[in-house]
Amino acid sequence: AQSVAQPEDQVNVAEGNPLTVKCTYSVSGNPYLFWYVQYPNRGLQFLLKYITGDNLVKGSYGFEAEFNKSQTSFHLKKPSALVSDSALYFCAVRDYSGGGADGLTFGKGTHLIIQP
Amino acid sequence: DTAVSQTPKYLVTQMGNDKSIKCEQNLGHDTMYWYKQDSKKFLKIMFSYNNKELIINETVPNRFSPKSPDKAHLNLHINSLELGDSAVYFCASTPQGYYNSPLHFGNGTRLTVT
Repeated sequence: AQSVAQPEDQVNVAEGNPLTVKCTYSVSGNPYLFWYVQYPNRGLQFLLKYITGDNLVKGSYGFEAEFNKSQTSFHLKKPSALVSDSALYFCAVRDYSGGGADGLTFGKGTHLIIQP
Repeated sequence: DTAVSQTPKYLVTQMGNDKSIKCEQNLGHDTMYWYKQDSKKFLKIMFSYNNKELIINETVPNRFSPKSPDKAHLNLHINSLELGDSAVYFCASTPQGYYNSPLHFGNGTRLTVT
């Protein structure tokens, strides 16, 4: 079984400061990891993914994430936060040993609030 | 060009009624899903279809019945609606067999049962 933990319900960051949204995962095989963002009354938008290769992956809107196999973590980061980054962020995992139709398992989400 | 579209966007109905939510994707994907997002924003997979065949059926009441007339459509029919069915329902799709491919989500259908 696969699972994702996002330990923080909410993260508050001042505009211009770096931000980190934490995610840890558990899978039986090799993980495929994803970050999504959800704005109010909207669907989930894909930000970035880790499949293999470089542990630091870059995605949309200046976001990046660092894969750490030993710590089973995939934290989302951005060097300089914008007020418009305020949204709900989801980490998700798919176990490589599963088929594509297994879908993704999501964390409970982290509200990111960027203060002007 | 909406990739994954759901209708209706909002659905308000009374307990005991039957309702349907429609989903269409124009991405050429083979696999489609229904997810439920509850009031605490937790996302849980309900169903997965691959080329019109049911693949995943999580612990969902029998009142929920998905139907896939073709691989571009996955509709969700709900019988005898209950208060606890109130949630946002998301449709999503992905190419078959591409395990590293992200899911593409629709904008959701907010179901309110009164």
